[in-house]
Amino acid sequence: DTEVTQTPKHLVMGMTNKKSLKCEQHMGHRAMYWYKQKAKKPPELMFVYSYEKLSINESVPSRFSPECPNSSLLNLHLHALQPEDSALYLCASSPRQSRGEAFFGQGTRLTVV
Amino acid sequence: GESVGLHLPTLSVQEGDNSIINCAYSNSASDYFIWYKQESGKGPQFIIDIRSNMDKRQGQRVTVLLNKTVKHLSLQIAATQPGDSAVYFCAEISSGGTSYGKLTFGQGTILTVHP
Repeated sequence: DTEVTQTPKHLVMGMTNKKSLKCEQHMGHRAMYWYKQKAKKPPELMFVYSYEKLSINESVPSRFSPECPNSSLLNLHLHALQPEDSALYLCASSPRQSRGEAFFGQGTRLTVV
Repeated sequence: GESVGLHLPTLSVQEGDNSIINCAYSNSASDYFIWYKQESGKGPQFIIDIRSNMDKRQGQRVTVLLNKTVKHLSLQIAATQPGDSAVYFCAEISSGGTSYGKLTFGQGTILTVHP
């Protein structure tokens, strides 16, 4: 199984809503990542977890809250988002943080209204 | 042809031609480089990687060249096929400091292959 599974595929939420994005991998990878991608732009790193501990936070606003419950799961909790937060949110995993062969999920297309 | 401007660089080729996609990187501390392919509606897909102690690496129909002197990376695709049409990103991994292991993507190039 070389898949990273993200749910939901699409999400529309209001600015006062609370929602969560989920990511799952069963490759035994110990590094997991959240990226944000706007149209026609490269993915931008948000967070990195290494061995279930937050390793990198790219100064992401607190309305985005990551969580790594175990080595296979990664969540991104969303609260009080702004319309400019609408984007494709990508989850990835790699064997270790320093190993670049990261496998990406299909992403969650988020629209904030 | 290839163009660079306010939009993503684009490269248009005929099926069967060879394609060369270029990338410049800025971080001298990066020691690991990766090429990703992203098709519409999908996440990036790993193509090939290269470490800084190498200057060339070959895969199936793809070759990556690394020139550390000028901080330049290229991806060569042989006998390009319509299925190769996608956005191609180079990415780099920082090897030290607070950004250790941080995977950073370059701007991207849109490759269009005409039958």
